[in-house]
Amino acid sequence: GNSVTQMEGPVTLSEEAFLTINCTYTATGYPSLFWYVQYPGEGLQLLLKATKADDKGSNKGFEATYRKETTSFHLEKGSVQVSDSAVYFCALSTLSSGSARQLTFGSGTQLTVLP
Amino acid sequence: DAGITQSPRYKITETGRQVTLMCHQTWSHSYMFWYRQDLGHGLRLIYYSAAADITDKGEVPDGYVVSRSKTENFPLTLESATRSQTSVYFCASSEALVRETQYFGPGTRLLVL
Repeated sequence: GNSVTQMEGPVTLSEEAFLTINCTYTATGYPSLFWYVQYPGEGLQLLLKATKADDKGSNKGFEATYRKETTSFHLEKGSVQVSDSAVYFCALSTLSSGSARQLTFGSGTQLTVLP
Repeated sequence: DAGITQSPRYKITETGRQVTLMCHQTWSHSYMFWYRQDLGHGLRLIYYSAAADITDKGEVPDGYVVSRSKTENFPLTLESATRSQTSVYFCASSEALVRETQYFGPGTRLLVL
């Protein structure tokens, strides 16, 4: 079946530090890959996505590249801000058989950015 | 123009009671989903629906019932609540199933005593 593995949190950084949150996946078929962000007390919002190998998704200074050879979709940002403090979820979606036709989420990584 | 809304936002109930969580979307999206969010598990799919009157089980459907008589509404019912169903429940919708963004509601925090 499908699965997503994210680096364990929590992650604490100082403002303007470089961020990497690792995400690797196992999937049948050809998945689309997503990063969602959840701010305190809110639902999930799509941050970025990539639908095929070598695509780069980007939004709000965050980037992630779909690496089929390493089955990875690591999230990066060059200079984090306090307002980036949130929980980040990596997810995949694929049209394989059975229950794989859905978003499969990683367990989430809590990011705290200190001023 | 609220997009996707959930009610109630917070609910406390007792073991054995029936509870219904409501979800409403204004986009006329075909697909709707219910997830539960628990520490260490991320989000897990409970049920989803491809259209009115079409529903299917997700990863963790036991103890839950859904219906979808109208495209815009997708209620989730816990027929006899258990403590293990204490969680945060998120509803989501999308225009299509694969490669399409899912839009999430604000969540319902449920406590079963």
